[in-house]
Amino acid sequence: DVKVTQSSRYLVKRTGEKVFLECVQDMDHENMFWYRQDPGLGLRLIYFSYDVKMKEKGDIPEGYSVSREKKERFSLILESASTNQTSMYLCASSSSSYEQYFGPGTRLTVT
Amino acid sequence: DAKTTQPPSMDCAEGRAANLPCNHSTISGNEYVYWYRQIHSQGPQYIIHGLKNNETNEMASLIITEDRKSSTLILPHATLRDTAVYYCIVRTRLEYGNKLVFGAGTILRVKS
Repeated sequence: DVKVTQSSRYLVKRTGEKVFLECVQDMDHENMFWYRQDPGLGLRLIYFSYDVKMKEKGDIPEGYSVSREKKERFSLILESASTNQTSMYLCASSSSSYEQYFGPGTRLTVT
Repeated sequence: DAKTTQPPSMDCAEGRAANLPCNHSTISGNEYVYWYRQIHSQGPQYIIHGLKNNETNEMASLIITEDRKSSTLILPHATLRDTAVYYCIVRTRLEYGNKLVFGAGTILRVKS
């Protein structure tokens, strides 16, 4: 089975802190994605990567950056966390054009 | 991408078939129908996809009408663990980087 793991299920950070969210997949997938999910707004794409060291902005990249130094790992970085970045963060990976496999999510609270 | 319409919620008795409808009247010829679900506090899970033929896998069956304007996801023997939000998504083949857009979905409650 495809496995996508995320470093934390729950995280509490203070405003202004630098936050790292890690995602690892074990199926040698080329494509990896970071989404955030908020009530009433659905799933929104932050960044994606289709190869090592390659990244593309999604719909809402402001305030975020990403890093993909190894194929299996895709990191989301909040340079200076703000309260409006309190959300559920979901990582996904894909090798085919039909399905994405999601991790369990990280619920981030910024106080 | 074509817009989809799903009922906001449905109930199903445990052990019975759950039939979840989705309308996508503006679907175009190269767009697929995808189904995902999200169990509470977990990430979304891929279920099945189809273009025009009916499809079946170990999780579910997908019935697409001949005019492709609607489809039905069938969970043949629903269990309590199938309680989740089910999302119907219509879009072209996912090339690299193409995002999935989830609407409100249908909350399926399986009851004993």
